[in-house]
Amino acid sequence: DVKVTQSSRYLVKRTGEKVFLECVQDMDHENMFWYRQDPGLGLRLIYFSYDVKMKEKGDIPEGYSVSREKKERFSLILESASTNQTSMYLCASSSLGSGVYEQYFGPGTRLTVT
Amino acid sequence: AQSVTQLDSQVPVFEEAPVELRCNYSSSVSVYLFWYVQYPNQGLQLLLKYLSGSTLVKGINGFEAEFNKSQTSFHLRKPSVHISDTAEYFCAVSGDGGSEKLVFGKGTKLTVNP
Repeated sequence: DVKVTQSSRYLVKRTGEKVFLECVQDMDHENMFWYRQDPGLGLRLIYFSYDVKMKEKGDIPEGYSVSREKKERFSLILESASTNQTSMYLCASSSLGSGVYEQYFGPGTRLTVT
Repeated sequence: AQSVTQLDSQVPVFEEAPVELRCNYSSSVSVYLFWYVQYPNQGLQLLLKYLSGSTLVKGINGFEAEFNKSQTSFHLRKPSVHISDTAEYFCAVSGDGGSEKLVFGKGTKLTVNP
């Protein structure tokens, strides 16, 4: 069974803290994605990666960075958390080989910044 | 750039009634289309996808969708809903030229009442 896991389901951090959100997939997928989900706004792409050490900005990269040192792991970093980054964060992966780019999602991390 | 419009943000229905969730996309080129479902406090799960061929696509849990190229629509239907179908539903389209990225609609919250 395919699986995308995220390090935490719920996280509470203080303004100004550095925050790491981890995502691991066991499907040997090339592509990995970070989205944030807010009510009424749907899913918005923050960053994606199509290979180890490769990354591309999505629609809302400001205030975020990413790291992909291993194929199975994709980390989202909030350098200095702010209250407007309180959101649900979803990680996803997809396979280049499928040619279809169906994405598989993790359970999400609900981050609260106080 | 691609865009996806889900025409209804909320759809309340009674149990065993039929339901249609509407989705329109902007592209005039060949695309792949997806419907995802998100149950409360979970990640997104693929319901069905259109790649090519028959315009009527069947998915899991009794859902189906019809691809209409002339109207650039991909509406989701179920003839008889259950309480357990209460969830948020997202329509998505592959990016221009079939890129790895998916463009998501803002979601439709389906509430099934007894």
